[in-house]
Amino acid sequence: QQKVQQSPESLTVSEGAMASLNCTFSDGTSDNFRWYRQHSGKGLEVLVSIFSDGEKEEGRFTAHLNRASLHVSLHIREPQPSDSAVYLCAISNSAGNKLTFGIGTRVLVRP
Amino acid sequence: VTLLEQNPRWRLVPRGQAVNLRCILKNSQYPWMSWYQQDLQKQLQWLFTLRSPGDKEVKSLPGADYLATRVTDTELRLQVANMSQGRTLYCTCSARDRGPGNQAPLFGEGTRLSVL
Repeated sequence: QQKVQQSPESLTVSEGAMASLNCTFSDGTSDNFRWYRQHSGKGLEVLVSIFSDGEKEEGRFTAHLNRASLHVSLHIREPQPSDSAVYLCAISNSAGNKLTFGIGTRVLVRP
Repeated sequence: VTLLEQNPRWRLVPRGQAVNLRCILKNSQYPWMSWYQQDLQKQLQWLFTLRSPGDKEVKSLPGADYLATRVTDTELRLQVANMSQGRTLYCTCSARDRGPGNQAPLFGEGTRLSVL
């Protein structure tokens, strides 16, 4: 059964400074890796999806995947206070609707 | 544009009473519909994926029993029974289920359930 761990639990960054979040997983056969974010009291918003080793950029959000290391990261370029939210790593195999989520990293962006 | 409409948005549920939730799909290009629960510790967990009208599934998890039904091509329902702890239920939709690079499930705003 896939296990997903995220670190750090929480992160405070200054507006404009790079934010880096980490996600490790246990099942290296998975091939769908996604980052979502959740603002307080809201649903989830997908940020970036990555399916092969390397880098995938969507606007200010970049995901890096290294399946051999069982690691996927998210980097937020020039974060703004409106980016303050919980960021969630989600992983699935080819049955893409069955996502396994980490517990999230709470990001606070200070002006 | 909102793809999914969930109702109710919030419900206070007397202990021992069941509650029925609805999710309406606004765009038929995303026919794979699923339910997820988010517990009080904010952990999200997949419950069901139902594609075709008439599909039904049941599941028991710590703190609640679930019955999911795909009523029509645009409506998904969830009955929550024997709930002992509050939780939030999210409906999702996706263009397809299998195959590499399939589209990310898109989430509704959720239904928050609290136990009275």
